[in-house]
Formats: sequence, structure tokens, C-alpha cells
Amino acid sequence: EDQVTQSPEALRLQEGESSSLNCSYTVSGLRGLFWYRQDPGKGPEFLFTLYSAGEEKEKERLKATLTKKESFLHITAPKPEDSATYLCAVQAYSGYALNFGKGTSLLVTP
Amino acid sequence: DAGVIQSPRHEVTEMGQEVTLRCKPISGHNSLFWYRQTMMRGLELLIYFNNNVPIDDSGMPEDRFSAKMPNASFSTLKIQPSEPRDSAVYFCASRARALNTGELFFGEGSRLTVL
Repeated sequence: EDQVTQSPEALRLQEGESSSLNCSYTVSGLRGLFWYRQDPGKGPEFLFTLYSAGEEKEKERLKATLTKKESFLHITAPKPEDSATYLCAVQAYSGYALNFGKGTSLLVTP
Repeated sequence: DAGVIQSPRHEVTEMGQEVTLRCKPISGHNSLFWYRQTMMRGLELLIYFNNNVPIDDSGMPEDRFSAKMPNASFSTLKIQPSEPRDSAVYFCASRARALNTGELFFGEGSRLTVL
């Protein structure tokens, strides 16, 4: 059975303090790994898809990387508006849907 | 383009009542998913439709839950009778016509509270 574990559960950073969020996964054949951002009271918003180990994607202060067992979401010089819950999800070759982790709640203070 | 549209945004009901949640996917998307989100369990898949046909409903908790997709632009999730443990945020998501892969686009969710 596919498993997605995110750590830490919660992270508090000062503005400008870079850090990384971790997503460990087990899946029987990875079709894709997805990162989403979720703001309070909103639906998850798509950020990135990674398909193979070694792949990297960037968007503003965010950079996602992928290995055979885990993915990292690096946040460089975060701002308060980066505060949100970040969700990781995997899709197996044998499946249709995305299997989500429980997320990391990020708070960036001024 | 409008995104995935869900209604109602909030629903408060009493135990035993019927609840119907509605979803309009993005036009042209051929896959539709219903997820449920709670603090304890995170996002859980309830059911998946492809071209309006239910493909996988193994995540539906029990017979009290049912979902339909009568056409490509509308789906419903019904709970009858509702119970307090059904309280959660229910999300609908759709995906474009592309080999069953690719990102899902989520609606804003329907927050259900069963008293």
C-alpha cells in the first residue's frame, strides 16, 4: 500500500530563514510526486509535479527535489505570505488518484 | 476560466438528516474525484469518476455514502443518514483529459458539521 509521510508536522521560521520540508514515500512504481499548498479555508493549490529521481522544479522561493525514497521542498528566504500547509502526494502507475500525506504547517513570522 | 465549483461552502445539520454536496468540475476535464479532509486522517479519497463512470469507490466509508455523476459538468455526494463522525471538509477535484495522470485541481471545499 502506498504511504506518504511528511515531516515536520509544523515548522515556524523567521522571515528570511531558509529551510526544507520532507516527504518520504513508498509506492509500487511512482508515476508522479506532487506538491500542493493549502491556505486556511481553501482547497489545495497545485505547485509542482516531479516524475523521476534527480528531477528539480523551481517557483519563486520554492524548489522541489526528488530521490527514489523522498522529496524535499526547499524554501529560500521565506516571507510571511509563504505561511500555509504544504501537502505532498504520490500517484502510482497502477492508480488513478493521488495519495496525500498529512502535510507540514509552515508559519513564517516577520 | 472558472475553477472547480462546490456548494454549499458550509453545511450544519443534525444527525440523521440527509446531506447533498455538489460539484461542477472544470470544463473539459474528464476525471473527477471526491476527497474528505480531517485533522486526524488528512485527505482521503472517497470515489473517482472517469468520463462520468465511477471507477473506484473503495474509499466510500459505508452504504450511507453515495455519489453520482449524471453528466460531465455535475456531480453529487450524498450522505444519508448523516452522523457526527461525518463532520469534515469535503473536496471535489478534477483532472484534464490526459492518460489518467497529471495534477488535480481542487474546489474550495464544503465544510460539513453534523450535530
